[in-house]
Amino acid sequence: EAQVTQNPRYLITVTGKKLTVTCSQNMNHEYMSWYRQDPGLGLRQIYYSMNVEVTDKGDVPEGYKVSRKEKRNFPLILESPSPNQTSLYFCASSPYGALLGYTFGSGTRLTVV
Amino acid sequence: AQSVTQLDSHVSVSEGTPVLLRCNYSSSYSPSLFWYVQHPNKGLQLLLKYTSAATLVKGINGFEAEFKKSETSFHLTKPSAHMSDAAEYFCVVSDLQGGKLIFGQGTELSVKP
Repeated sequence: EAQVTQNPRYLITVTGKKLTVTCSQNMNHEYMSWYRQDPGLGLRQIYYSMNVEVTDKGDVPEGYKVSRKEKRNFPLILESPSPNQTSLYFCASSPYGALLGYTFGSGTRLTVV
Repeated sequence: AQSVTQLDSHVSVSEGTPVLLRCNYSSSYSPSLFWYVQHPNKGLQLLLKYTSAATLVKGINGFEAEFKKSETSFHLTKPSAHMSDAAEYFCVVSDLQGGKLIFGQGTELSVKP
């Protein structure tokens, strides 16, 4: 089944403890992206990648890192999480960028205390 | 810059009655437009997309949307609401920069028996 898989689905952590949210797609898509969803703000792009080793900042990149060493994987790294990073995170992939839309993962709900 | 405005944060209808979710967009070029749906505690599912072909777009589950360039609108409709349609709906516009999707703030649809 074609899908974007994120792990974990739920995560509670403490301020300052490094964490990684994994994302993997099995559709051989070029583009991958991370979004965060906050009440009243919709979804906002954090980082995106157009191909292996090509990444760039989205609208809200502060406090996050990404890497794209393989085409299928695009992990999101929080080096020192803070409470304002408590949010619902979505990974997405697309063959052609935004013009044809993205396929989204099921989301990761992160709570930083 | 591209932007999208969902005109209603909450819409409530009775089962069997029509659904109208309103969306206006702003774009400096001919954009791609999408509607995504998010059921409670679920990921985002693509309902339909407009990519400069037919202006009336049919999607899944009986939804459709009409692209009206003169009104810069892309309203989502369904002739007869079903209880399972209760969810949050996002109107989305493509941005050529960064392969990014720009989301509206969402419209929560409630369906009463």
